[in-house]
Amino acid sequence: DQQVKQNSPSLSVQEGRISILNCDYTNSMFDYFLWYKKYPAEGPTFLISISSIKDKNEDGRFTVFLNKSAKHLSLHIVPSQPGDSAVYFCAARVYNQFYFGTGTSLTVIP
Amino acid sequence: DGGITQSPKYLFRKEGQNVTLSCEQNLNHDAMYWYRQDPGQGLRLIYYSQIVNDFQKGDIAEGYSVSREKKESFPLTVTSAQKNPTAFYLCASRSPSKGVGAFFGQGTRLTVV
Repeated sequence: DQQVKQNSPSLSVQEGRISILNCDYTNSMFDYFLWYKKYPAEGPTFLISISSIKDKNEDGRFTVFLNKSAKHLSLHIVPSQPGDSAVYFCAARVYNQFYFGTGTSLTVIP
Repeated sequence: DGGITQSPKYLFRKEGQNVTLSCEQNLNHDAMYWYRQDPGQGLRLIYYSQIVNDFQKGDIAEGYSVSREKKESFPLTVTSAQKNPTAFYLCASRSPSKGVGAFFGQGTRLTVV
């Protein structure tokens, strides 16, 4: 049973606009949530994380929002750039194990 | 430069043969992980190790084996018992004192023919 879900397989956004990637989870024991970016045939690279006791974390153009009551988190990228085009994975941590969603492929159109 | 090295990048094996995927890190990380990625699926945990000489099964450990004899190395053996071994395999490492996230290698694409 998938504990971390990304229900949108793909997303297209115009350059300069906001990209919003969504993630839902089921396990209330997760203590950290993370976003990774991945290019084809490469390993994922860590982008940003948020503790389960926070509701927002910002790092440059990237902001992650956490809604614990809804068991939902989102990644906002503003402004979106063509170089942001990649697959984005949501991940959640419990007991030093990481659970990943299925990924959302973001295409930023110039 | 510190990092995680997986080798080889592409690997071909005949059905029924065991194959070992290499993962080496010089980040001085205690924890290491093996994940498998299939098309349209997220990363699924195969095995993980928190310290040397200790490892635990993940969600899909059947048909795989690992060892952790050195802190730097966490090789994964795909045995003939693994029914669908063709996949993209990712190794990761993490140190609790150096942040929340795990750092990933570049992956090994294993194709069994």
